[in-house]
Amino acid sequence: DAGVTQSPTHLIKTRGQQVTLRCSPKSGHDTVSWYQQALGQGPQFIFQYYEEEERQRGNFPDRFSGHQFPNYSSELNVNALLLGDSALYLCASSLGELRLAGNTIYFGEGSWLTVV
Amino acid sequence: AQSVAQPEDQVNVAEGNPLTVKCTYSVSGNPYLFWYVQYPNRGLQFLLKYITGDNLVKGSYGFEAEFNKSQTSFHLKKPSALVSDSALYFCAVRDRGGGGNKLTFGTGTQLKVEL
Repeated sequence: DAGVTQSPTHLIKTRGQQVTLRCSPKSGHDTVSWYQQALGQGPQFIFQYYEEEERQRGNFPDRFSGHQFPNYSSELNVNALLLGDSALYLCASSLGELRLAGNTIYFGEGSWLTVV
Repeated sequence: AQSVAQPEDQVNVAEGNPLTVKCTYSVSGNPYLFWYVQYPNRGLQFLLKYITGDNLVKGSYGFEAEFNKSQTSFHLKKPSALVSDSALYFCAVRDRGGGGNKLTFGTGTQLKVEL
């Protein structure tokens, strides 16, 4: 049973560029969310997708956007990259409707983004 | 707004000794609480969760956690630590009312188990 998979694992971008990160949820899961983990900090919630719609959003600017596809996979896009966007980006998935908040959330290994 | 505090940046314990990693939370209602572990340069691995019921929750790799509503705490424990338990541990709370995947994490506690 494949867990949450993310790609790429590492990438380096230049300030002002745009980046797309990809995520496939754990088999059978339909809800995907994205987190940013800066060095030495806990993960911060970016947003969540369910039924191909953004359902919740954390305190991140509009430069951060996403998409969920019919097969439940997801992309995170970041435009106009800043040095401060350098972080580990984690994708998480779970099963169920929004009301099933007790469901376990599983994380992928993450994508390391370095902005230079 | 919900929040989590992990008061210790680092916990050191000798192998074979019991360990405790502390977590306190703040939410407007009843919480869902989680513990995750992160090994160097890796993602988060789920250890255990409290949803409802028994205040003592058992999880993976021999870990357990005790939910204490009056003290708003959810401390992670293990009776006998292993060197391989050395890692970064995160406590997280989830909004019961809003649902969804929004977890609010603490700042993490580095556990170091020494021979």
